[in-house]
Amino acid sequence: EAGVVQSPRYKIIEKKQPVAFWCNPISGHNTLYWYRQNLGQGPELLIRYENEEAVDDSQLPKDRFSAERLKGVDSTLKIQPAELGDSAVYLCASTKGLGIQYFGPGTRLLVL
Amino acid sequence: AQKITQTQPGMFVQEKEAVTLDCTYDTSDPSYGLFWYKQPSSGEMIFLIYQGSYDQQNATEGRYSLNFQKARKSANLVISASQLGDSAMYFCATGRNTGANSKLTFGKGITLSVRP
Repeated sequence: EAGVVQSPRYKIIEKKQPVAFWCNPISGHNTLYWYRQNLGQGPELLIRYENEEAVDDSQLPKDRFSAERLKGVDSTLKIQPAELGDSAVYLCASTKGLGIQYFGPGTRLLVL
Repeated sequence: AQKITQTQPGMFVQEKEAVTLDCTYDTSDPSYGLFWYKQPSSGEMIFLIYQGSYDQQNATEGRYSLNFQKARKSANLVISASQLGDSAMYFCATGRNTGANSKLTFGKGITLSVRP
C-alpha cells in the first residue's frame, strides 16, 4: 500500500512570492491533516479535513494561507504571499476511522 | 488543552543496549492517546507505538515498548537492542480520545544517537 505522497519535497522562494504544496493521502483515508514543523520543534496542526470539509482550521493563518481538498482526496496548501517566518517543513498526514495518523515525507520550504 | 514535555538533551546509546526516552504530558481530556513517532534525517514522521489512556497494559511493538504511568503523567519510550538505524529524532505526542480524527500535540523531540 502506498504511503502519503507529498510534492514538492523542497522549495526555495523569495519572500512575497506564492507557493503551493500538494498531498495525496493513503487510499481510503478520509481524514487529512496539514502540520507545520519549525526548526527544532514538533509539528503543529494547521488544518484538518474530514472528507472535503475543513473541520478544524483554527491554527491556519487565514490572511495568507489557504487550503482545499476537492473531492475529499488530494489536498493543496497555499501561501500567498510567503514571509521569511514561513520557512519550515510542511507535513501532510492521513488516517481512516479510528486509525493512526500516517505522515508523508514533508515539503521543506525556504523563504529568502 | 494538551501539552507534551520532552526535556532530555541529546541521548547517546551503545549499539545493542536499551535506552529510555522520557515524555511527560498534560491534558484536560478524560480519554486520550499517547503516541511516539520517529523522524530520521529524511524528514518523514514514522509511527512507532500507541497507548490508550484506559489501556491496562503497556503497549509493545517489537523492540519498542511504552512505559505508561498514568498517575505520573508519563509515557516513556523504551527501545531495546538499539540499532544504528535507530539514530533519529523521537517525538512524543498526545491526542483526544484515542487520537482518532483529532489533532496531535507534539513535544519538541529528543535526538537519539546510537554508537557502534
